[in-house]
Amino acid sequence: AQTVTQSQPEMSVQEAETVTLSCTYDTSESNYYLFWYKQPPSRQMILVIRQEAYKQQNATENRFSVNFQKAAKSFSLKISDSQLGDTAMYFCAFRPFLGAGSYQLTFGKGTKLSVIP
Amino acid sequence: EAEVAQSPRYKITEKSQAVAFWCDPISGHATLYWYRQILGQGPELLVQFQDESVVDDSQLPKDRFSAERLKGVDSTLKIQPAELGDSAMYLCASSPGVGTGELFFGEGSRLTVL
Repeated sequence: AQTVTQSQPEMSVQEAETVTLSCTYDTSESNYYLFWYKQPPSRQMILVIRQEAYKQQNATENRFSVNFQKAAKSFSLKISDSQLGDTAMYFCAFRPFLGAGSYQLTFGKGTKLSVIP
Repeated sequence: EAEVAQSPRYKITEKSQAVAFWCDPISGHATLYWYRQILGQGPELLVQFQDESVVDDSQLPKDRFSAERLKGVDSTLKIQPAELGDSAMYLCASSPGVGTGELFFGEGSRLTVL
């Protein structure tokens, strides 16, 4: 079974600054996907960024980028130029590439990010 | 833009009562999930459907919870009888079932059991 750990229950950042959210995971799989999802207050969860484990290049999506360290089983999210709309819960999630449960996501407990004006 | 629809958004019930949640996934999405999210926690999978078939319900408390997706489209999650510990957000998600496996979530149904 896979586990996902987010060690920062809450974080805050000044508007326009950069913040990094941490995530570690444990798996015996060699191929898998990692995701960061954002859950704004009272709104649905949406995908922020996705990383395929077989790709060495770190994924980027506009102001969002990841630092994927496969050997260390670490997958951090960096948010640059933080905006008030980035205030949300952020969840790290894992999905095996193949096999049983290959379409299921295992989530961490989340990090509550507050962007301060 | 297509979205996953869920109802009701909020439900308050007394313990021992029955409650039901409905989910309509994005059209064409073969895979449907029900997750439970306790306040301050990450979502935990309750049940996964592939079309009308249950793929995984290993974490579903089957003595009180049931889920169905009769025609392989919309789905209902039922709790009977509700207990205080069932208070949570119930999230429905869908995915095409192929590709990178991104899940698309509904806004959720928040249940409060008194």
